[in-house]
Amino acid sequence: NAGVTQTPKFRVLKTGQSMTLLCAQDMNHEYMYWYRQDPGMGLRLIHYSVGEGTTAKGEVPDGYNVSRLKKQNFLLGLESAAPSQTSVYFCASTKNDYRDTGELFFGEGSRLTVL
Amino acid sequence: GQNIDQPTEMTATEGAIVQINCTYQTSGFNGLFWYQQHAGEAPTFLSYNVLDGLEEKGRFSSFLSRSKGYSYLLLKELQMKDSASYLCAVMDSNYQLIWGAGTKLIIKP
Repeated sequence: NAGVTQTPKFRVLKTGQSMTLLCAQDMNHEYMYWYRQDPGMGLRLIHYSVGEGTTAKGEVPDGYNVSRLKKQNFLLGLESAAPSQTSVYFCASTKNDYRDTGELFFGEGSRLTVL
Repeated sequence: GQNIDQPTEMTATEGAIVQINCTYQTSGFNGLFWYQQHAGEAPTFLSYNVLDGLEEKGRFSSFLSRSKGYSYLLLKELQMKDSASYLCAVMDSNYQLIWGAGTKLIIKP
């Protein structure tokens, strides 16, 4: 069982470059999320999706875009990378609204460095 | 503003017991979660508390007091593999998860 898979695992970008992070889940989950994790801070929600074709902004959406064209995939795009976007990015998913159990299934993370 | 406080780092001895505290100030409350995260890995779900009291799950227990805005995670019979960061998260009135910065637990032989 693959669970939640993120690609790439590591990436180095120059300021101004663009890139896309891919998240794929094979659990038929409806809800998907993109978080960033920075030292000394809690996970912060960037964008999320409650189903195929839907997206919504989280706590820190600026500089990022997302798409959910297929139920199993959730893409995170950086339009013009900035050093402040250096972080570890985690994708997560849940079958239903996590209000019921609180259990999020996370991918292994993507470490992005912007020079 | 909303705030989750946890100690930054704790050290404990293999075989001992450790309690990791979490205090929170949020706009409303719809549950508190604990996750474990080993270095360089993804967070994994440990527990969910929505009512006051103690929830036991093997060597791990989680306690909640809503009136005090307080929770703790209790780890018994510590093993070296328990060395990890422990993340506390609270679901607020809008069902948004507010995450603490995590507590790094170091286990010594």
